[in-house]
Amino acid sequence: ETGVTQSPTHLIKTRGQQVTLRCSSQSGHNTVSWYQQALGQGPQFIFQYYREEENGRGNFPPRFSGLQFPNYSSELNVNALELDDSALYLCASSSKREASTDTQYFGPGTRLTVL
Amino acid sequence: AQSVTQLGSHVSVSEGALVLLRCNYSSSVPPYLFWYVQYPNQGLQLLLKYTSAATLVKGINGFEAEFKKSETSFHLTKPSAHMSDAAEYFCAVTPNTGGFKTIFGAGTRLFVKA
Repeated sequence: ETGVTQSPTHLIKTRGQQVTLRCSSQSGHNTVSWYQQALGQGPQFIFQYYREEENGRGNFPPRFSGLQFPNYSSELNVNALELDDSALYLCASSSKREASTDTQYFGPGTRLTVL
Repeated sequence: AQSVTQLGSHVSVSEGALVLLRCNYSSSVPPYLFWYVQYPNQGLQLLLKYTSAATLVKGINGFEAEFKKSETSFHLTKPSAHMSDAAEYFCAVTPNTGGFKTIFGAGTRLFVKA
C-alpha cells in the first residue's frame, strides 16, 4: 500500500509568483484535504476535495485554488504569492467524503519559502 | 465555533516519567477528537481518536487519552516517556454533525531528557 506522497519537497519562490504543489493520495482514498502549517503553529485547513469537487473551504483567499484528478491525486495552486504564504503545506487523504471520523493520512509536506 | 487549546507550548520530562499533554476544546456539542504526532521534517501521524465510543482511548506507542465532557478536555498521557517520544503533538477536532473541517491546536513540543 502506497502512502501519501507530495512534491516537491522544498520550493523557493518570490513575491507575486505562482506555485503548484502536488499530492498523490493513498491507494483507495477518494478525499484529499490541504493544510497550511506556518512555523510554530498547527495546521490550518485550506480546502477539501471529494471526487474531483471542492467539498469545503477554510478561511483562505481565492488565490488559493485546487484540483483533484480522476485518480484522486490533487494539486494546490497559489497565485500572487505573499511573504506570509511561506509555510509547510500538508496534504491528507481519507476514504470518506465526511472525514469527521475517518483517519486522515498525511504526506510529508512541501516546504514553501517566499522571498 | 469550535476551537482547540493546548496548554503549554513546550513540555519537558525525564525519560521514564509520566507524559501529560493537555488539550481543551470548545464546542456546542462534543466533537470528534484526535491526537497527532509530528516528527521533524515529517507529516502528521495519528496517535488516537475519540469518536463517541469509550471515553478512554488507547493509541499507538503506549499513548492514551481520556475524553471528559464536563471538563471539555482530551488530555494525552503516557506512563513512561521514551527518548523517541520527543516530537510535536497536536490535538485536533472535527464536528460530529457531518462536517469536514479539522481544527488543530497550536501544538506542544515534548522534550525528553535522559
